[in-house]
Amino acid sequence: DVQLVESGGDLIQPGGSLRLSCEASGFSFSSYALSWVRQAPGKGLEWVSGISGSGGSTYYADSVKGRFSISRDKSKNTLYLQMTSLRAEDTAVYYCTKERGFSGYDPYDYWGQGTLVTVSS
Amino acid sequence: DIVMTQSPDSLAVSLGERATINCKSSQSVLYSSNNKNYLAWYQQKPGQPPKLLIFWASTRESGVPDRFSGGGSETDFTLTISSLQAEDVAIYYCQQYYSSPYTFGQGTKLEIK
Repeated sequence: DVQLVESGGDLIQPGGSLRLSCEASGFSFSSYALSWVRQAPGKGLEWVSGISGSGGSTYYADSVKGRFSISRDKSKNTLYLQMTSLRAEDTAVYYCTKERGFSGYDPYDYWGQGTLVTVSS
Repeated sequence: DIVMTQSPDSLAVSLGERATINCKSSQSVLYSSNNKNYLAWYQQKPGQPPKLLIFWASTRESGVPDRFSGGGSETDFTLTISSLQAEDVAIYYCQQYYSSPYTFGQGTKLEIK
């Protein structure tokens, strides 16, 4: 069975840094693009960042460009999101997602349970 | 960025009745070379991550009940639940995966009347 397990969420002060991890299992890790999608408390879904199966291509929402960095480690089957210069508006549950197909243009067929990031002083 | 707009924001439907949710994209998500609409629908229940229901605008994901159906093309799409069940109470989101960023609609909250 496919599993995506996020970790690393925490209460962090504005301006701080945090690294989220997503351990993946049950599928060929390097074959699928992965993304981070966040959901602020009581709000809708916002795509944050994505990375191709090979890791050679990365994509960011304008709201996080220059502050967040996505990466993946095929030896550990793990996706990362390095978050710096955190702001109150980054407060959200962060979900790790797997694309359904190989093309890089597919919806998300698996989601992790999410990890909560709270940015507050 | 492609803006996705859902209507209505909330909807109350009686058990056994039909529920219809609309989604409009600010530009076409139909890829002419393969004639596919890059549009998905998700269901999110409280305290859970979203679940993929429909992709390519009208293809049901494996295991999704056939009371769920998707339709539409280019910029206008619908999600229909033919006979509402109690377990369908949730927030529904559309998403385009035609171009990055893969934007979502604001969500439609579906309740029982």
